[in-house]
Amino acid sequence: QSVLTQPPSVSGAPGQRVTISCTGSSSNIGAGYHVHWYQQLPGAAPKLLIYGNNNRPSGVPDRFSGSKSGTSASLAITGLQAEDEANYYCQSYDTSLSGSVLFGEGTKLTVL
Amino acid sequence: QVQLQESGPGLVKPSGTLSLTCAVSGDSIRSNKWWSWVRQPPGKGLEWIGEIDYSGSTSYNPSLKSRVTISVDTSKNQFSLKVSSVTAADTAVYYCAREKPYSNPFYMDVWGKGTTVTVSS
Repeated sequence: QSVLTQPPSVSGAPGQRVTISCTGSSSNIGAGYHVHWYQQLPGAAPKLLIYGNNNRPSGVPDRFSGSKSGTSASLAITGLQAEDEANYYCQSYDTSLSGSVLFGEGTKLTVL
Repeated sequence: QVQLQESGPGLVKPSGTLSLTCAVSGDSIRSNKWWSWVRQPPGKGLEWIGEIDYSGSTSYNPSLKSRVTISVDTSKNQFSLKVSSVTAADTAVYYCAREKPYSNPFYMDVWGKGTTVTVSS
């Protein structure tokens, strides 16, 4: 069971803005560890979307943005497109239980 | 263009050992990066298994540490995963990934396509 909590699902119409939250605690996000975000299209491997809380790798549209505050992080997607329909995962580090890289539970984005 | 390719048996018997290899092309495994394994059970989320650098330094998920070994072969530019005493709960798609050094945790910027491993008699 992950200690990074994400909503199981979010949805939005084409062109709208949606946000996906990633809620942690003082032993992970709140301790200052960075948050990275991945997009996993159906049947595909995960793809890096955001690194270091709010940085986009080359090739990722600026419709995708990340932020972090306190013990939580968020991924925002503006101008929703049909091809954004995917699962999204946050990633950080946790110092409890001997420390470990961990992923959030994942959020399924449905474009209506 | 960096590519990672997983390979290994798709079927492992319960109590046996799962063995996978990740071949790296387009980058040297000796470069200043780490190399990791991530798995995804059917219909579930991602689980980090562990990581290794070119010198053989490793870090493992505490929940799997007693059963997992990750090793590196610099001469073949590849790294490997072994999971012992497997059960049906180890059935998953296994991904290898390249980690870019960054402030903790590193991020995974290149992923293999994944390989499905089923544990069944």
